[in-house]
Amino acid sequence: AQSVTQPDIHITVSEGASLELRCNYSYGATPYLFWYVQSPGQGLQLLLKYFSGDTLVQGIKGFEAEFKRSQSSFNLRKPSVHWSDAAEYFCAVGVRAGNNRKLIWGLGTSLAVNP
Amino acid sequence: EPEVTQTPSHQVTQMGQEVILRCVPISNHLYFYWYRQILGQKVEFLVSFYNNEISEKSEIFDDQFSVERPDGSNFTLKIRSTKLEDSAMYFCASSEALRQWINEKLFFGSGTQLSVL
Repeated sequence: AQSVTQPDIHITVSEGASLELRCNYSYGATPYLFWYVQSPGQGLQLLLKYFSGDTLVQGIKGFEAEFKRSQSSFNLRKPSVHWSDAAEYFCAVGVRAGNNRKLIWGLGTSLAVNP
Repeated sequence: EPEVTQTPSHQVTQMGQEVILRCVPISNHLYFYWYRQILGQKVEFLVSFYNNEISEKSEIFDDQFSVERPDGSNFTLKIRSTKLEDSAMYFCASSEALRQWINEKLFFGSGTQLSVL
């Protein structure tokens, strides 16, 4: 069965510190992986995605993620966190659903940033 | 960047009442979706819609749910007789019709928080 696990429910980091949010997936075929961010009162915004090719993908807002097939992981990283990065982060895997696709989501990781 | 618009942002209803959640997808998009997130749980896929018909639906999307594109701009989710467990944040999303479907980018609205009392 397809599933996405985000082991950390809540993380707190200091502004300027580095960040890594973990994501593990279970999917039989080639995974299409996504990270979304949800700021308070905002919709879900795509940070980055992996379909194929280079396993290190760059996204918006200075985020990057690395796909590691051997570990079934797609961890999100940022070298220096800003206070505005405080939000909920969701990892998702895309699977075919009829003619469309659907996303299987992780539970999310809530990020708090200390000044 | 273009936006998906959802109204209302928060809806409160009594159990057994009908609710309609409204979404205005991005104008040139052809694929539409509803997801929901119950507090403390994962975001869940409900339904996808293309060419005026449901393309795929989850087990959650039972006979109490329906979707409609009543005109050229709106995409609605109707819950006929709400239950307490329908309380959740409902997200609408839309995407273009690209040849390689997996390359589509989903644009999400900011959600409607439905509270069933």
